[in-house]
Amino acid sequence: AQTVTQSQPEMSVQEAETVTLSCTYDTSENNYYLFWYKQPPSRQMILVIRQEAYKQQNATENRFSVNFQKAAKSFSLKISDSQLGDTAMYFCAFMKLETSGSRLTFGEGTQLTVNP
Amino acid sequence: DARVTQTPRHKVTEMGQEVTMRCQPILGHNTVFWYRQTMMQGLELLAYFRNRAPLDDSGMPKDRFSAEMPDATLATLKIQPSEPRDSAVYFCASGLMVGNNSPLHFGNGTRLTVT
Repeated sequence: AQTVTQSQPEMSVQEAETVTLSCTYDTSENNYYLFWYKQPPSRQMILVIRQEAYKQQNATENRFSVNFQKAAKSFSLKISDSQLGDTAMYFCAFMKLETSGSRLTFGEGTQLTVNP
Repeated sequence: DARVTQTPRHKVTEMGQEVTMRCQPILGHNTVFWYRQTMMQGLELLAYFRNRAPLDDSGMPKDRFSAEMPDATLATLKIQPSEPRDSAVYFCASGLMVGNNSPLHFGNGTRLTVT
C-alpha cells in the first residue's frame, strides 16, 4: 500500500516570503502521479499543482513549484511571494495508476499560515 | 465553470437516524470517490465508482454505510444507523480516468454532526 507523509503539521511565513512544504511517499510503483491540494477555511479542496512521475522536469504553476526527487520519493511544494490568501491546509497526494481505476492517497496535511 | 455539487452542506442528526448525502459529479466524469475527513484520521477513502460500478468500498464500514450510483448524475452515501463517531466532513470527488491521470475535482463537502 502507498503511504504519504507530511512531517510538518504547521508552518508559518511572512507575506511576500518563500516557504517550502515537504512531502515524502512510499511506493513500489514506477508510474504514478503526485498532487498538492489546498484546503482553505471554506473547506473546498483545490488542486494546486500536479506532477507526473515519468517527467523529470519539475512542475510549475505561477508562484507554486515542486521539487520532485523520484529516487528519494520526495515531493516538496515551494510557494514564492506568499500571499495572505495562501493561508490554508495543504495536502500532498499520491495516485497510482490502476487498470480498473485510480485513487488518491493523502498525507496528513500541513497547516500554512501567512502572516501580514 | 463545472463543479461537483454536494448536498446538504451541513447535517445535524441524532444517533440512530438515517443520513443520506448526495453528490452530482461533473458531467462526463466517469469516476466518483467518497472521502471522509476527520481531525484524527485525515482524509480517508470510503468508496469509489468507475462508470457507476463500485470498484472499492473496503474503507467503508459495511454494516452501516452504503454507497450507490443510481445514475451517472447522482452518487449517494447513506449511513444507517448513524453514530456520533460518524461525525466528519464527507467529500465527493469526480474525475475522468481515461488511461491517464486526471485531477480529482472535489465538492464542498457535507459536514455531518451526529449527536
